[in-house]
Amino acid sequence: KQEVTQIPAALSVPEGENLVLNCSFTDSAIYNLQWFRQDPGKGLTSLLLIQSSQREQTSGRLNASLDKSSGRSTLYIAASQPGDSATYLCAVLKAAGNKLTFGGGTRVLVKP
Amino acid sequence: DTGVSQDPRHKITKRGQNVTFRCDPISEHNRLYWYRQTLGQGPEFLTYFQNEAQLEKSRLLSDRFSAERPKGSFSTLEIQRTEQGDSAMYLCASSFKGGHEQYFGPGTRLTVT
Repeated sequence: KQEVTQIPAALSVPEGENLVLNCSFTDSAIYNLQWFRQDPGKGLTSLLLIQSSQREQTSGRLNASLDKSSGRSTLYIAASQPGDSATYLCAVLKAAGNKLTFGGGTRVLVKP
Repeated sequence: DTGVSQDPRHKITKRGQNVTFRCDPISEHNRLYWYRQTLGQGPEFLTYFQNEAQLEKSRLLSDRFSAERPKGSFSTLEIQRTEQGDSAMYLCASSFKGGHEQYFGPGTRLTVT
């Protein structure tokens, strides 16, 4: 059974510092991995999707890497801003599967 | 395209009552998913549809839960005889087809008193 872990559960950084969020998964047979942002009481916003054949994806200040063999993904957010404060969730889609398996999320606070 | 929409956004109900939630996916998406998220946790898969066919159900979906997608467009999730443990955010997502990026709606927050 796939298990997804995100450590740390919470992170507080001063504005301008780079953020590094970690995601690990136990079964490397994945089809893709998605990173999401969730604001309090809201739904999920997709940030990046990495296919299993890819090593990384970039969008603006966001960069996500994937090491499938070691079961790890990292989300980097450059030059953090207070508006980046949110919970970040990673989720994996099993190869030939249909459901996303989520980690517990990392709650990020960027202090001005 | 307006994205995935869910209605209502909030629902407060008394234990034992029935509730129904609605999800309207992105129009060209044939896959629709339901997830449940409790406070401080990541979402957990409940069920998914391809067009009108319900193809997979999680063991989390007890016999008090039923989901439909009658014409392959919007979907409803009904919970009968609600219990306090049903209190959660119910999230709907859609995708163009299997393996593609899933887009989530704003969720319906259910509180059972």
